[in-house]
Amino acid sequence: KAGVTQTPRYLIKTRGQQVTLSCSPISGHRSVSWYQQTPGQGLQFLFEYFSETQRNKGNFPGRFSGRQFSNSRSEMNVSTLELGDSALYLCASSFSPGQGPSEQYFGPGTRLTVT
Amino acid sequence: GDSVTQMEGPVTLSEEAFLTINCTYTATGYPSLFWYVQYPGEGLQLLLKATKADDKGSNKGFEATYRKETTSFHLEKGSVQVSDSAVYFCALGGSGGYNKLIFGAGTRLAVHP
Repeated sequence: KAGVTQTPRYLIKTRGQQVTLSCSPISGHRSVSWYQQTPGQGLQFLFEYFSETQRNKGNFPGRFSGRQFSNSRSEMNVSTLELGDSALYLCASSFSPGQGPSEQYFGPGTRLTVT
Repeated sequence: GDSVTQMEGPVTLSEEAFLTINCTYTATGYPSLFWYVQYPGEGLQLLLKATKADDKGSNKGFEATYRKETTSFHLEKGSVQVSDSAVYFCALGGSGGYNKLIFGAGTRLAVHP
């Protein structure tokens, strides 16, 4: 099976711009979660989508949003970029048959640099 | 709120040394516990997991036991290799429902020949 893919792998944006990141989960997986990784804050949960619905959300401002399509692919969007948004954004997919936590498989991440 | 605390790194060992990376957690309810590993330039890989008290997760020579009485999930390996050099993250799942993971700060391991 192909793993989780994320595009693009690297991105450089200017403060104030917006950006869209994409994640394709493992075939058959219905849940996609997004995480932000920074040296200062570590790994932080952004949100999770399941069957095109956001079912969990972390403590991030409304500038961070996401969506999931019928094929389970997911995108996250960050508007009005700030320097502090520079980070590695990781996507994770899981089959997630129930409400409990299931094994998650991470993509390689998108490295976003805001200048 | 729920949280995970890991020992600070870096941890530097010689090849074939014994490894312990401490992890303790604070959680309400009955979380699942995970260890993930991140190699340079890559995403996270699930190393092992435990879903209930006294469960032992194991993989690739690594082991960790879910200890509810001490709220701990320490990672151990009897004999490390240079290829084990990476950053290790302890994580708690099930807090807040579904697939949300709460991660520790990570512990960098460097193994020298």
